[in-house]
Amino acid sequence: DAGITQSPRHKVTETGTPVTLRCHQTENHRYMYWYRQDPGHGLRLIHYSYGVKDTDKGEVSDGYSVSRSKTEDFLLTLESATSSQTSVYFCAIRSSGTDTQYFGPGTRLTVL
Amino acid sequence: GIQVEQSPPDLILQEGANSTLRCNFSDSVNNLQWFHQNPWGQLINLFYIPSGTKQNGRLSATTVATERYSLLYISSSQTTDSGVYFCAVWVGETSGSRLTFGEGTQLTVNP
Repeated sequence: DAGITQSPRHKVTETGTPVTLRCHQTENHRYMYWYRQDPGHGLRLIHYSYGVKDTDKGEVSDGYSVSRSKTEDFLLTLESATSSQTSVYFCAIRSSGTDTQYFGPGTRLTVL
Repeated sequence: GIQVEQSPPDLILQEGANSTLRCNFSDSVNNLQWFHQNPWGQLINLFYIPSGTKQNGRLSATTVATERYSLLYISSSQTTDSGVYFCAVWVGETSGSRLTFGEGTQLTVNP
């Protein structure tokens, strides 16, 4: 599992509330990613990071922001959650040695 | 952007059968990975395979980069092989490099 944890694992929230999801890794990988997975759309990249304070947008970044103040943590924030952001969110790292991507266990988010 | 197409979208097998899953991609890629998402939602890396053939137990994968496709072979399938198999390709340079996923093949192995 490449030492990746996500918190919380499940969350139910209401429309308009802010939500922050956390991804934590223990192996000092430089690259970290946030994806969402929805039926009919597969896995889509939201944001990614290539170092502390270095982030960039993916294909579905609208409504999301990220921060990476230290190597081990990559935070995904929904400033004002909407029902369309109900999804399963996966964090991933890119292994420095092999360039292989590994995924965390996922967070199931429901926005009512 | 690059298009990644997987076939078949769904596959139902009896335990012990063999199968081949295909991944086609529309442009040159830096690399390719196969993942298995089990029924509990966990995404597991199977192969990192830019070209050639790799084997891991009952699973093997072949990528022919010049012809823009990859194949995943599952032999003597077991019920634990059930789930969704994703192909994903690496595109972009250095810090901008990222994975683009296909829609997956849903595999069901019946006892």
